[in-house]
Amino acid sequence: KAGVTQTPRYLIKTRGQQVTLSCSPISGHRSVSWYQQTPGQGLQFLFEYFSETQRNKGNFPGRFSGRQFSNSRSEMNVSTLELGDSALYLCASSQGAQGANVLTFGAGSRLTVL
Amino acid sequence: AQKITQTQPGMFVQEKEAVTLDCTYDTSDPSYGLFWYKQPSSGEMIFLIYQGSYDQQNATEGRYSLNFQKARKSANLVISASQLGDSAMYFCAMREGPQAGTALIFGKGTTLSVSS
Repeated sequence: KAGVTQTPRYLIKTRGQQVTLSCSPISGHRSVSWYQQTPGQGLQFLFEYFSETQRNKGNFPGRFSGRQFSNSRSEMNVSTLELGDSALYLCASSQGAQGANVLTFGAGSRLTVL
Repeated sequence: AQKITQTQPGMFVQEKEAVTLDCTYDTSDPSYGLFWYKQPSSGEMIFLIYQGSYDQQNATEGRYSLNFQKARKSANLVISASQLGDSAMYFCAMREGPQAGTALIFGKGTTLSVSS
């Protein structure tokens, strides 16, 4: 069974640009969530999508957005990049979102903003 | 106040020894879930173990067990018989309440180093 696939794995952008990251969940998983990991702030929840609807959102500015497609694949977009957006962006999928539903994470997309 | 506190930035252990990684949490919601994840240098988060707030028994998964002390709000991870491959960052996380969905709150992590 294929795991969670994130592309690209590494990317470098400059301030002011925008970036789109992609996530393919485990087959059959309908929930996709995104996390940002930085040395200073640690792991922080960005948002969650279920059946193409955003169900939950973390405390991030509107420059961070996402969407989910009918095949459960998800993308997140960051516009007007800032130096502080440099981070490892992790996508996770799960069958549901309650109780013991476990999040399975991808390997992440490491974004460097210059 | 921090919701998840991991007080040990780094831990060092020898192969085959047991190690306990500390985690305390703070919530007023009676329904919550606690998770432990391992993050090797490759970056991928690997699920280790889960404990629900209403679970009567401590969770166990192979060499991993969770020492759940509800009154003290602690959920320590115990790794028995450490292996070199256990060297990684370990994160404690909480799902706070049924409305949290997949929004886990993570601690800052503990780096575990296993030597031969």
